[in-house]
Amino acid sequence: AVQLVESGGGLVQPKESLKISCAASGFTFSNAAMYWVRQAPGKGLEWVARIRTKPNNYATYYADSVKGRFTISRDDSKSMVYLQMDNLKTEDTAMYYCTAGPNWFAYWGQGTLVTVSS
Amino acid sequence: DTVLTQSPALAVSLGQRVTISCRASKSVSTYMHWYQQKSGQQPKLLIYSASNLESGVPSRFSGSGSGTDFTLTIDPVEADDIANYYCQQSNELPLTFGSGTKLEIK
Repeated sequence: AVQLVESGGGLVQPKESLKISCAASGFTFSNAAMYWVRQAPGKGLEWVARIRTKPNNYATYYADSVKGRFTISRDDSKSMVYLQMDNLKTEDTAMYYCTAGPNWFAYWGQGTLVTVSS
Repeated sequence: DTVLTQSPALAVSLGQRVTISCRASKSVSTYMHWYQQKSGQQPKLLIYSASNLESGVPSRFSGSGSGTDFTLTIDPVEADDIANYYCQQSNELPLTFGSGTKLEIK
């Protein structure tokens, strides 16, 4: 069965950095585009970042709200995807979900909570 | 950016048919997908590419539409369907979601 397991969330202060991870299993990870989607408390879903596959040069894309501050990466040898978050803001407080799929989000992890507060 | 507009909430009686709408600010062809999110859980894919039922999803769920107007239909509604429903477009970046429709029971 497909599994996506996020980790690394926690409480950080504004302007600090945090790196969250996602371990994937149950599908051919190297063939899958990977994404991060977040959800602020009591709010809707927001796409954050996307990373394509090796044949597509691991191209990355970001929402304007995080561009220049967040970096998505992947390690196909470990079936892992990461989100490096720098210069965090209070408005980045959210549950961060790792997702996978062609152009839609077929698989979801359970999420990791990131809280940015002083 | 493509803005997706959904009604905030809908109330329906058990056993009845409900349609949840999603309108896009520009054409997205059939690159529209639907998700169900129950309280405290991660979202779950229901419908992809406007009308394709994801494997394992009950046939009570169906999707239709193209261009700018899309619908998710649940027929008949069961108590387990109480959730928030989100549409999402993948026609262009940034990928965007609707604000969600909360399905309530009358």
